[in-house]
Amino acid sequence: KNQVEQSPQSLIILEGKNCTLQCNYTVSPFSNLRWYKQDTGRGPVSLTIMTFSENTKSNGRYTATLDADTKQSSLHITASQLSDSASYICVVSTDAGNMLTFGGGTRLMVKP
Amino acid sequence: GAVVSQHPSWVICKSGTSVKIECRSLDFQATTMFWYRQFPKQSLMLMATSNEGSKATYEQGVEKDKFLINHASLTLSTLTVTSAHPEDSSFYICSARGTGWVYEQYFGPGTRLTVT
Repeated sequence: KNQVEQSPQSLIILEGKNCTLQCNYTVSPFSNLRWYKQDTGRGPVSLTIMTFSENTKSNGRYTATLDADTKQSSLHITASQLSDSASYICVVSTDAGNMLTFGGGTRLMVKP
Repeated sequence: GAVVSQHPSWVICKSGTSVKIECRSLDFQATTMFWYRQFPKQSLMLMATSNEGSKATYEQGVEKDKFLINHASLTLSTLTVTSAHPEDSSFYICSARGTGWVYEQYFGPGTRLTVT
């Protein structure tokens, strides 16, 4: 069964600090891995998409890594801001884009 | 980036009534649209996939007669929750893919449905 596990489930950090969110998956065949940011009461917004051959991708203060051998990914947030408070969802696709397996998300709270 | 809108953003309806939620791609033609449901503190769960002009494909456990999906044009898909019950209260999110897109699909802002 395809699964995506994220850790931690929730995280509280102080503004300005860095943090790293983890994602482990058992999805096969693998096409791509995405990280989304979802603000409360809003739809997910794409941060990064990585294919099998990519092992790192950045989007501003967000940097995602992918280890396809160990089936692990991480999302590193640098110099956190209050607006980073949201749920971060790891999503793995088994084909070009239709079949998505969602992780449970990590709820991040950035405090002043 | 591509923009997907949903209307309404929130709706309250009485038990037994039907409610329609619209999903529109504003600046691209969406050949495929997806409908998701999200309960509090849970991740998104795919309900159905629809291709323009075709019948929707529903995920296992989703009642097609209760959740009617119409993807009549390349920019509009609708989800109608028929004979709504309190347990249908949830956050409904659509996403859309454009013609020729390889990976990306853009999500709408979601619709909060409360059935009283």
